[in-house]
Amino acid sequence: ETGVTQTPRHLVTGMTNKKSLKCEQHLGHNAMYWYKQSAKKPLELMFVYSLEERVENNSVPSRFSPECPNSSHLFLHLHTLQPEDSALYLCASSQGLPGDTIYFGEGSWLTVV
Amino acid sequence: AQSVSQHNHHVILSEAASLELGCNYSYGGTVNLFWYVQYPGQHLQLLLKYFSGDPLVKGIKGFEAEFIKSKFSFNLRKPSVQWSDTAEYFCAVTANQAGTALIFGKGTTLSVSS
Repeated sequence: ETGVTQTPRHLVTGMTNKKSLKCEQHLGHNAMYWYKQSAKKPLELMFVYSLEERVENNSVPSRFSPECPNSSHLFLHLHTLQPEDSALYLCASSQGLPGDTIYFGEGSWLTVV
Repeated sequence: AQSVSQHNHHVILSEAASLELGCNYSYGGTVNLFWYVQYPGQHLQLLLKYFSGDPLVKGIKGFEAEFIKSKFSFNLRKPSVQWSDTAEYFCAVTANQAGTALIFGKGTTLSVSS
């Protein structure tokens, strides 16, 4: 149990479907993150939210749309996905201060067919 | 922008062998450095981190890492590995500023045979 919960753990979807990944943190943190983990690639930072405001967006395609309604919840809305989007999507949180440990969820495995 | 290089993609060791995994980062300012571990089927978890002070950092499970500023390195070491250390190890860096996120290396897979 990491204090960061992601649902669903596994998602298989077609390219035209609209889906969402959900993340909830129970640690009282102020910053939340989405990372993408693909085979043979480094973890790629996708989005950073600090105090519910997006502070970083690393040139992520617009078919990925994040939403942070409050400091405990983070969503990743997905639409018109491509097969190369199949990956493990990791949510994480921290206090947002320099040197903070970032705590990761177990991830949501996305398969685009 | 920061970047992280991990030199070894896959390391295979026998139990009781010593381990050193290389990590170099690229960033001109003050950094915080981390090693995360991902055991098979589990989430990423912190092994150790350097924030300031003593450049030799000790983490969980007998791991340590040394920050050498002049070499931009933060190598991970363990004197005697165990089969249970089989996992993927990620080095990460963040600028010493609020709101900046971790940038990860590609990871090193460690396989320990008993």
